[in-house]
Amino acid sequence: DGGITQSPKYLFRKEGQNVTLSCEQNLNHDAMYWYRQDPGQGLRLIYYSQIVNDFQKGDIAEGYSVSREKKESFPLTVTSAQKNPTAFYLCASSPPGTSLRPDEQYFGPGTRLTVT
Amino acid sequence: AQTVTQSQPEMSVQEAETVTLSCTYDTSESDYYLFWYKQPPSRQMILVIRQEAYKQQNATENRFSVNFQKAAKSFSLKISDSQLGDAAMYFCAYRRGYGNKLVFGAGTILRVKS
Repeated sequence: DGGITQSPKYLFRKEGQNVTLSCEQNLNHDAMYWYRQDPGQGLRLIYYSQIVNDFQKGDIAEGYSVSREKKESFPLTVTSAQKNPTAFYLCASSPPGTSLRPDEQYFGPGTRLTVT
Repeated sequence: AQTVTQSQPEMSVQEAETVTLSCTYDTSESDYYLFWYKQPPSRQMILVIRQEAYKQQNATENRFSVNFQKAAKSFSLKISDSQLGDAAMYFCAYRRGYGNKLVFGAGTILRVKS
C-alpha cells in the first residue's frame, strides 16, 4: 500500500533535548512538507522541500531543522531552541507537477510530541 | 500575504440534515486552488473536496459540495444528509499553485447529533 508513515505516534522528551520526527513516503512524490498543529489552531508550515537536497523555511521554522537526502524521507528535528515544542506534527507530500492533481497534499497520521 | 478565515469555531447538525461551513480568503492572485480537509478524532487529515479558481462550476463529491464565489472570495462547504461519521474538525485551505504552500484556516468543529 502506498502512503505516508510517521513514527512514532507519541513521543516524549525532556526539555533541552533535540528530537527527530520521522516521515517516509512511498508515493514517489517530489514535494514534502512539515506542519505544526496547536489546539484550536490550523496547521502552520514549518519547512518544505520540493526536491532532494533542497528545502525552504516555512512560516515558523525557528527552532527546527530538516534534511532531504532521499526522495522518500524528510525527517524533522525539533531542537532545544524551539521554545514551545509540545504540539502535533503532520507531514505531507504532493505529487509531481506533471500529475493529474499536483496541487493536492496527502498527509501522514501525525506525531504527538510532548516535552516536559 | 494570503489569509484564510473560518468564522464558525463550532457547528452542530442533526443527523440526516444539511449544514454549511463558511470560509473566506484573501488573495490578489487570479489562479489558485481551494480545499476542504476533514480531521476526525484520529487526527488524520483527509481531503474532502477541491476547487480550481479558474473553474466556475462548483465542485461536488457525493454528499459534499461547495459554493465558490470568486468575486466575494468565499468558499463554503455544504454537507447533505449528515452522518455521525461526518463529525470532525473541518479546515478550509488555500494554495496559490504547484510548489506553493497550503494556507489553512483555524478550523470549524462539526458535531452531528443523533
